[in-house]
Amino acid sequence: GNSVTQMEGPVTLSEEAFLTINCTYTATGYPSLFWYVQYPGEGLQLLLKATKADDKGSNKGFEATYRKETTSFHLEKGSVQVSDSAVYFCALSHTGGGNKLTFGTGTQLKVEL
Amino acid sequence: DTGVSQDPRHKITKRGQNVTFRCDPISEHNRLYWYRQTLGQGPEFLTYFQNEAQLEKSRLLSDRFSAERPKGSFSTLEIQRTEQGDSAMYLCASSSAGPGYSGNTIYFGEGSWLTVV
Repeated sequence: GNSVTQMEGPVTLSEEAFLTINCTYTATGYPSLFWYVQYPGEGLQLLLKATKADDKGSNKGFEATYRKETTSFHLEKGSVQVSDSAVYFCALSHTGGGNKLTFGTGTQLKVEL
Repeated sequence: DTGVSQDPRHKITKRGQNVTFRCDPISEHNRLYWYRQTLGQGPEFLTYFQNEAQLEKSRLLSDRFSAERPKGSFSTLEIQRTEQGDSAMYLCASSSAGPGYSGNTIYFGEGSWLTVV
């Protein structure tokens, strides 16, 4: 079946540091890949997505590239801010089964001054 | 605001009681999903509807759980005879379906927190 594996958190960084959150997946066929962000006490917000191999999703300075050869979709940001502190979820969806999302366990990011 | 809305946002109930959550999806979306999220975990799929038809149910959805979407618009999720293990956040989400395309964005509501005491 489909599954997503993320690096464990929490990840603690100083403001303006470089961020990488690793995500790898297992799926048959050609899923779409997503990063969602969850701020404390809130629901999930889509951060970015990529729908085919070698696509790069980007938003708010965050980027992730769909790497089919390594089945990865790592999240990166060149300079994090305190306001980026949140939990980040990697997810995949597949055309079979209503495009439902399969999520990783989430990675908490803490950015300090 | 025309996002996904959920009600109530918080519910505390005694073990054995029934609870019902309501979800209003984005108006033009024909797919509606329910997920459950426990502390420190990612959301887990429970069920989804396409219009009024419930097309898939997860094994997580025991016989105490039932979901409906009677007119293909809002949906309800009912939990009967609640147990402490049901304490979680219940997330509703919606999307517009495109056949053979997995990249449709799924939009989430803010969730309904359930605490069973």
